[in-house]
Amino acid sequence: DSGVTQTPKHLITATGQRVTLRCSPRSGDLSVYWYQQSLDQGLQFLIQYYNGEERAKGNILERFSAQQFPDLHSELNLSSLELGDSALYFCASTEVGGNTIYFGEGSWLTVV
Amino acid sequence: GQQLNQSPQSMFIQEGEDVSMNCTSSSIFNTWLWYKQEPGEGPVLLIALYKAGELTSNGRLTAQFGITRKDSFLNISASIPSDVGIYFCAGEAAGNNRKLIWGLGTSLAVNP
Repeated sequence: DSGVTQTPKHLITATGQRVTLRCSPRSGDLSVYWYQQSLDQGLQFLIQYYNGEERAKGNILERFSAQQFPDLHSELNLSSLELGDSALYFCASTEVGGNTIYFGEGSWLTVV
Repeated sequence: GQQLNQSPQSMFIQEGEDVSMNCTSSSIFNTWLWYKQEPGEGPVLLIALYKAGELTSNGRLTAQFGITRKDSFLNISASIPSDVGIYFCAGEAAGNNRKLIWGLGTSLAVNP
């Protein structure tokens, strides 16, 4: 158990819909990262937040957005879903000044 | 998005055999990380490398940061069934705020 909690673990939704994935980082970790893992693209960095502020942006689509709340949990919002958005979405966190990124177990999104 | 070239894509070996996998990049990295992902889990850090030429071991695992800073390898000695999983390399450029670039993974199967 990495200490990073993600919900839901599995989600099936229709094209065009919107979903929200939730992440609670390890206690005390200020940084939260979101990754998308698909079979053909592997692990892709989407976005990073640090203490509520966006810190870095990766290959995140405009249809996707994220935020980190004052209690440090984070949400990834995926809208106008397409079949190709089906993937495993990971959240990860790091401790302040730490070098290890701890991953949650992921949220499995299936768009039908 | 940018990816590392990780090879081999998959391996099927006999228990007790040694395993070697590597990652290469056209860019220079300051950090190389090796992760293992088991079914239903997020990636777990195995070894982190921070200096060109660095050779680091973690039990039966050994990884090296290439001198050119554009490659890294991971060796597993005397493989056992629990080594089964997908091994990912990841690289981080200087000042990149942990925006890791990932390989597509090496899937390892071990025949007892």
